[in-house]
Amino acid sequence: LAKTTQPISMDSYEGQEVNITCSHNNIATNDYITWYQQFPSQGPRFIIQGYKTKVTNEVASLFIPADRKSSTLSLPRVSLSDTAVYYCLVGYGGSQGNLIFGKGTKLSVKP
Amino acid sequence: GAVVSQHPSRVICKSGTSVKIECRSLDFQATTMFWYRQFPKQSLMLMATSNEGSKATYEQGVEKDKFLINHASLTLSTLTVTSAHPEDSSFYICSASGQSGTSAYNEQFFGPGTRLTVL
Repeated sequence: LAKTTQPISMDSYEGQEVNITCSHNNIATNDYITWYQQFPSQGPRFIIQGYKTKVTNEVASLFIPADRKSSTLSLPRVSLSDTAVYYCLVGYGGSQGNLIFGKGTKLSVKP
Repeated sequence: GAVVSQHPSRVICKSGTSVKIECRSLDFQATTMFWYRQFPKQSLMLMATSNEGSKATYEQGVEKDKFLINHASLTLSTLTVTSAHPEDSSFYICSASGQSGTSAYNEQFFGPGTRLTVL
């Protein structure tokens, strides 16, 4: 399973755009890239998933370059409630495999 | 997205007792369920993977006789911590994955977690 590397922490202010980059140099051909958000004492919550190029949903965008060795989660105009730990996971997932969580990025949004 | 519940949300028990944690997929059939453990300020650690009707596959270093996993139906998996000790105190989280009704490819849906405290 591909190992991921993310910044340990990031600080931002309300209303700013936040970009969190994840490195996954050993990503396999059939691996997907998935980002989860976790608040203290809660289970992780799915944010977005992609395979290549750009994916956008109502809460975030995911940018994946052509070589797929990294990905960037973009959170537009963050608010205080976006303070959480964000995990980047790479894998086939689902019933065919498991998701290995790295250390994640603790995002702190300040007023 | 699909909903996964866990019960109980928190439990306190005495050392030496056994504790059972239930994980249910409420609105989809989970062919595979996963159990994770998370210590304070640390990431989630996968403990085991279970497919309905078959024995669980445990990660290296996880004692299968201590952490009994049963996945008897497509909507229910249980984790039993046997002869619990204070070092087993942790946040236990399950997740479920199904073949249909998911919004993303092979997405895992996580439960809210169970806080176990062993005195």
